Amino acid sequence: DSGVTQTPKHLITATGQRVTLRCSPRSGDLSVYWYQQSLDQGLQFLIQYYNGEERAKGNILERFSAQQFPDLHSELNLSSLELGDSALYFCASSVVERGGRNEQFFGPGTRLTVL
Amino acid sequence: SQQGEEDPQALSIQEGENATMNCSYKTSINNLQWYRQNSGRGLVHLILIRSNEREKHSGRLRVTLDTSKKSSSLLITASRAADTASYFCATDPNDYKLSFGAGTTVTVRA
Repeated sequence: DSGVTQTPKHLITATGQRVTLRCSPRSGDLSVYWYQQSLDQGLQFLIQYYNGEERAKGNILERFSAQQFPDLHSELNLSSLELGDSALYFCASSVVERGGRNEQFFGPGTRLTVL
Repeated sequence: SQQGEEDPQALSIQEGENATMNCSYKTSINNLQWYRQNSGRGLVHLILIRSNEREKHSGRLRVTLDTSKKSSSLLITASRAADTASYFCATDPNDYKLSFGAGTTVTVRA
């Protein structure tokens, strides 16, 4: 158990819909990272927040947005969903601000299926 | 885009044998990390090697780093069935994020 929690575990929805994925980082970690893992794209970094502020952005679509709240939990919002958005979405956390400097602790993931 | 590329894509070995996988990357790095992922689950950090280190050990894991060749290798000695998983290398091309390779799928046969 990494100490990172994600809800829900599974999500099935229809095209055009909007969903929210939630992540609680390990106690004491200020950085939260979101990743998307699909068969064709592999593991892609989406976005990072550190202590409530956006720190780094990866291949995140404009239809996707995220935020980190004062209690450090984070939410990833996916809107106007398309079939291609079906994937595993992981949240990770770390103590440091610079995501590459130290290990990241991954949550169990949310499996999103868009029908 | 992915910075690291693992080789081979898949590996099947007998229990007790060693497993070696390689990672090549494109840009300069501060460190390189290896992660393991059991089927459909979250990634687990295995080891981090900094750019000024050449070799690192952790239990049955041995990692090497050759910055001149922009490559790293992960050796798992005396493999066990529980080592069956996908293994990913990750680099920090700009210090703020990790870039993961496509992974090597390792199957350990009993």
